[in-house]
Amino acid sequence: DAGITQSPRYKITETGRQVTLMCHQTWSHSYMFWYRQDLGHGLRLIYYSAAADITDKGEVPDGYVVSRSKTENFPLTLESATRSQTSVYFCASSESTGELFFGEGSRLTVL
Amino acid sequence: GEDVEQSLFLSVREGDSSVINCTYTDSSSTYLYWYKQEPGAGLQLLTYIFSNMDMKQDQRLTVLLNKKDKHLSLRIADTQTGDSAIYFCAEVPSQAGTALIFGKGTTLSVSS
Repeated sequence: DAGITQSPRYKITETGRQVTLMCHQTWSHSYMFWYRQDLGHGLRLIYYSAAADITDKGEVPDGYVVSRSKTENFPLTLESATRSQTSVYFCASSESTGELFFGEGSRLTVL
Repeated sequence: GEDVEQSLFLSVREGDSSVINCTYTDSSSTYLYWYKQEPGAGLQLLTYIFSNMDMKQDQRLTVLLNKKDKHLSLRIADTQTGDSAIYFCAEVPSQAGTALIFGKGTTLSVSS
């Protein structure tokens, strides 16, 4: 089915471990985004990408790494997870500015 | 830097009007957006307004824009229990490329 899917939907990990959240979209949208949602902070932009092999930092990029080798995939890696990275992570895609299509979110708990 | 500001909570009775307010940061933002997030789901675009407009109406939704004060509002007429959700306003500041910057969200609670 067409759409944007995130995996895993739920993840529990320990401090210091590497975690990768996957995001896949079937629309061939140029733009993809990673946001984190935390109580009291709303949504904050982590990284975004305008096309394959082009990525840019958002508001809160520290501790995260992204890549975009293919247009349809935009994985987010936490190289050494910390408790402050416990959050709900949303991937989104768009073809133009403004109308973002969001995945259902990945809830990450770092113990 | 400056934040997109919203009130955090709004509680209304079914059938009343709801007004959610937002103050954005960049006077050169071309479009301003309202997104809705239902429990356990991602955000969905609700409506948007072009910066050269003062008002946009779409069925029960009315968006008002005051560029001078950088103030945006969303009015929901005849609010229903199904409107209970978190509402986010968003802008594309000129320094953020094409990425949307969201407010913290307003939780709308509708009681019957």
